Order: sequence, then structure tokens, then C-alpha cells
Amino acid sequence: DTGVSQDPRHKITKRGQNVTFRCDPISEHNRLYWYRQTLGQGPEFLTYFQNEAQLEKSRLLSDRFSAERPKGSFSTLEIQRTEQGDSAMYLCASSPHRLTYEQYFGPGTRLTVT
Amino acid sequence: TQLLEQSPQFLSIQEGENLTVYCNSSSVFSSLQWYRQEPGEGPVLLVTVVTGGEVKKLKRLTFQFGDARKDSSLHITAAQPGDTGLYLCAESIYNQGGKLIFGQGTELSVKP
Repeated sequence: DTGVSQDPRHKITKRGQNVTFRCDPISEHNRLYWYRQTLGQGPEFLTYFQNEAQLEKSRLLSDRFSAERPKGSFSTLEIQRTEQGDSAMYLCASSPHRLTYEQYFGPGTRLTVT
Repeated sequence: TQLLEQSPQFLSIQEGENLTVYCNSSSVFSSLQWYRQEPGEGPVLLVTVVTGGEVKKLKRLTFQFGDARKDSSLHITAAQPGDTGLYLCAESIYNQGGKLIFGQGTELSVKP
């Protein structure tokens, strides 16, 4: 299967701990996006990369959040000093360089902060 | 910031019924994408509409884009339990790298 993959699928952590999620996009997709989704809501944009460059960050992305995409391939999203409000599904999507910017999502990482 | 409103928020129907869900905006869409999401999974792209008045069909699903590109609808004919899920519309913001702005979704339940 050559779809977007995310790891881990589920993460339970205690408040104050750091967590890191990984996303592997579809091969040769140069754009990669991170979204956050809480129960009963649509996904909310967090940040995106074109190749290795991080081009936009939402104001939702506080200074406790950092994302990287070294070498323009996989990406990581780190949350430092987690808070209960960080509990959500974190979704990664990738997109080829086409006019309509269609995005293909991974299965997500479900984070629970206790 | 573009605001997308979806209606209804929840829909529970019997197998075989038809249904329509709506996506409306306060301003013109660049392009609109429809996704379906199952619990615990990521959204799956169903269709992209770009041109005002455009109609696209995907088996029993019919997608329409309003002439003024400010609204869209998804019609399902003869719904099946496998159609159950969260239906999301999203605008792709072209001048911001194609990031998606999502509506809050329509939760569809089709009972056998």
C-alpha cells in the first residue's frame, strides 16, 4: 500500500510529557499538511510543508508544537509539555503538485492526555 | 476567514432512502472538495469541484457546485449502511499552499 502512513495510531500520555508523531507521505508528493481534529468537528489546519520548507503555521500551533520535514520526505510533529486540551486526532495529508491541491490523508494519530 | 456551514449536522435514515447534505459559504469558493470519514480513520477524498454549475457523479453519489460557487450539495440515492460516516466539505485555499478549511461535517447513519 502506498498511501499516507502515520505512527503511532494511538498515544496515551500524562500531562507534561513530550510526544512525537511521524507521517510518511505518498512518495513524490511535495506538499505535506498537518491537521488536528476534535470530536464532532472537522479537521483544523496546523501547518504545511512544501518539500522541506515549512511555509505556514496556524495560530493554533503554539510554541509547544514543532514540526519538521527533513529532506522533504517524512515529517514529525512534536508536542512539548502536553496539556489535556491537546487531546485530539492528529491527521497528516500529502498532495501532489497539481492545480486542485487534492489531499490524501493518513489514518491519524489519536492522542489522549491524562 | 472563510466559514463553511454544513447541514444538517446529523442525519439518520433507513436503507434505501435518498438524502442530500449541503455546504454553504459566505464567499466564493476557489474549489471545493468532499470527503468521507469513518470513525478512527482519516478523511477519504470523494470528489473535487471547481467550475460553477459543475455536476459530478460517483456511483450513487451526485455532487453539485452552485453556479455562483458559494454552495455545494451531495445527494445519495438509495443509501446503504456502508454509506454511514462523517461527510465533510472543504475549501482549498490556493494562495496558501492549498490548505483546507473544513466544515463541521454531516454525521450520516444509515440503518438496515
